[in-house]
Amino acid sequence: AQTVTQSQPEMSVQEAETVTLSCTYDTSESDYYLFWYKQPPSRQMILVIRQEAYKQQNATENRFSVNFQKAAKSFSLKISDSQLGDAAMYFCAYRSDRYSGGGADGLTFGKGTHLIIQP
Amino acid sequence: DGGITQSPKYLFRKEGQNVTLSCEQNLNHDAMYWYRQDPGQGLRLIYYSQIVNDFQKGDIAEGYSVSREKKESFPLTVTSAQKNPTAFYLCASSSDRGNNSPLHFGNGTRLTVT
Repeated sequence: AQTVTQSQPEMSVQEAETVTLSCTYDTSESDYYLFWYKQPPSRQMILVIRQEAYKQQNATENRFSVNFQKAAKSFSLKISDSQLGDAAMYFCAYRSDRYSGGGADGLTFGKGTHLIIQP
Repeated sequence: DGGITQSPKYLFRKEGQNVTLSCEQNLNHDAMYWYRQDPGQGLRLIYYSQIVNDFQKGDIAEGYSVSREKKESFPLTVTSAQKNPTAFYLCASSSDRGNNSPLHFGNGTRLTVT
């Protein structure tokens, strides 16, 4: 079974600064997908960014980018120019490749990192 | 607008009573999921369904039951056998068309059992 580890229960950053949230995972599979979700105080789960393991290029979505290191099984999220609205819980998630027999059971989540934005 | 609707937002029950949480989606998604969220625990999978009339246990299925009689609906029943039912419950769906299909989530139901 796959596991996802987020080693930072809480992070704090000054508004407009850059912050990086860490995520590592354990898997024996070669094909899989990785996601970052944001959960603000409303508790709505919002997809931030996704990465296919077969792609070497790191995914980017506006101020959000990832550093995907497949050999190290690391998938960190970088938030640039942090804004007050970025304050939330951030969850890293893993999904197996369904054509390899996995993926049908949804995502495996880490325990989350609480991001605080200081004005 | 398409989306996932969970109801009610807050639910209170006495210990020993079964309770059913509703989840409806109009996204035409094949797959649906139920997750439980506890403080400091992240999200843990309870049950999932890839197709109507079929569902599978997740990591923490004990004390829960589901049905999938319609594509749009995936209700979760928390039975009296669930030892610690108080939690935040999230329903999700995915199109299942691509491996990187993300999960779309409802707004959740906060269940409190006393």
